[in-house]
Amino acid sequence: GESVGLHLPTLSVQEGDNSIINCAYSNSASDYFIWYKQESGKGPQFIIDIRSNMDKRQGQRVTVLLNKTVKHLSLQIAATQPGDSAVYFCAGRAAGNKLTFGGGTRVLVKP
Amino acid sequence: NAGVTQTPKFQVLKTGQSMTLQCAQDMNHNSMYWYRQDPGMGLRLIYYSASEGTTDKGEVPNGYNVSRLNKREFSLRLESAAPSQTSVYFCASSERIALNGYTFGSGTRLTVV
Repeated sequence: GESVGLHLPTLSVQEGDNSIINCAYSNSASDYFIWYKQESGKGPQFIIDIRSNMDKRQGQRVTVLLNKTVKHLSLQIAATQPGDSAVYFCAGRAAGNKLTFGGGTRVLVKP
Repeated sequence: NAGVTQTPKFQVLKTGQSMTLQCAQDMNHNSMYWYRQDPGMGLRLIYYSASEGTTDKGEVPNGYNVSRLNKREFSLRLESAAPSQTSVYFCASSERIALNGYTFGSGTRLTVV
């Protein structure tokens, strides 16, 4: 079956440093991936997406890297700020056009 | 502001009680979804509606029913609540299945005692 998961449940990072959040997926047919940010008490919010025909995509302070060979994607946050403290989810789309979500990684930004 | 609105935000039920979670979106999206979120489990799909008039089971449909009332509204019903249904429930919508991801509501925290 399809699964999308995360390597690290909690990531502590110093303010100003870069953060890297990792995600592994199992279904090689997944053609589209999304990163979401969820702050406490709120629903997930879209951060950035990437199609499987790309290996890198950049947004504002965020970069997603996709390695299809090892079925791995990562989210890099540059110059992490206190407002980046949240839980981050990856999600992948495969058969049936439904998204499957990973378990989430909590990012804690230390001042 | 455009988005997905869920009601109620909090609810406590006794085992065996029934209730309906409401969801409405004003973005003219075709597809709507219900997820539950449990600690360490991520988001799991309960039911979805790819378009008005259709509904399909997701990963964890047992104990739930849904109604796509019209294009805007998608409700989730618990006929006989059980403690295992204690969770945070999120409704989401997308223009069609996931080109820019889903827009999520703010969630309903449900406790079944």
